[in-house]
Amino acid sequence: QKEVEQNSGPLSVPEGAIASLNCTYSDRVSQSFFWYRQYSGKSPELIMSIYSNGDKEDGRFTAQLNKASQYVSLLIRDSQPSDSATYLCAATDNYGQNFVFGPGTRLSVLP
Amino acid sequence: DTEVTQTPKHLVMGMTNKKSLKCEQHMGHRAMYWYKQKAKKPPELMFVYSYEKLSINESVPSRFSPECPNSSLLNLHLHALQPEDSALYLCASSQDWGAQYFGPGTRLLVL
Repeated sequence: QKEVEQNSGPLSVPEGAIASLNCTYSDRVSQSFFWYRQYSGKSPELIMSIYSNGDKEDGRFTAQLNKASQYVSLLIRDSQPSDSATYLCAATDNYGQNFVFGPGTRLSVLP
Repeated sequence: DTEVTQTPKHLVMGMTNKKSLKCEQHMGHRAMYWYKQKAKKPPELMFVYSYEKLSINESVPSRFSPECPNSSLLNLHLHALQPEDSALYLCASSQDWGAQYFGPGTRLLVL
């Protein structure tokens, strides 16, 4: 199993819907998780970080961490066309020194 | 302020040239990173500096040479690159191995 896995997509949702992005991880990464948004040709932009079990909300974004099932998800409420991007899930490795990125999920929000 | 700056934004170089990429952050972060990103792939870690010392070198060819002159600056010296080295080069910084903040990147083309 790869350390961090994501469905590559594309995931298409209509404008105004909830987009659900999922990420699973192996025992080789630690318990700090991050979601980044990356527009085509641009650099990754940090959206959310989550360190403990449960939900964390920030505006239209909610990150969910379930350590028992080893998955972390990102929900985007009221999706907008401007949310169309690649979403990268990242986790710190067990040494806590660097990131392991998932392959990214491409999200397309249709007007 | 979560800004990381990188120069130049674009760079075209021949295989015999020597050039340098520059990165700067003023957030007081003690860890700085170089990543390479190819199209439709996640960022790939190249080097990590912690407290101005190289702590991780992910088996990068010697034609890439990092330098950390001080806690705010990070350079990547390039020499005798190959066309397959063409990519987006990203700099990032973090405090205490937490969330990483990325600069806008340098788009490199090797002819």
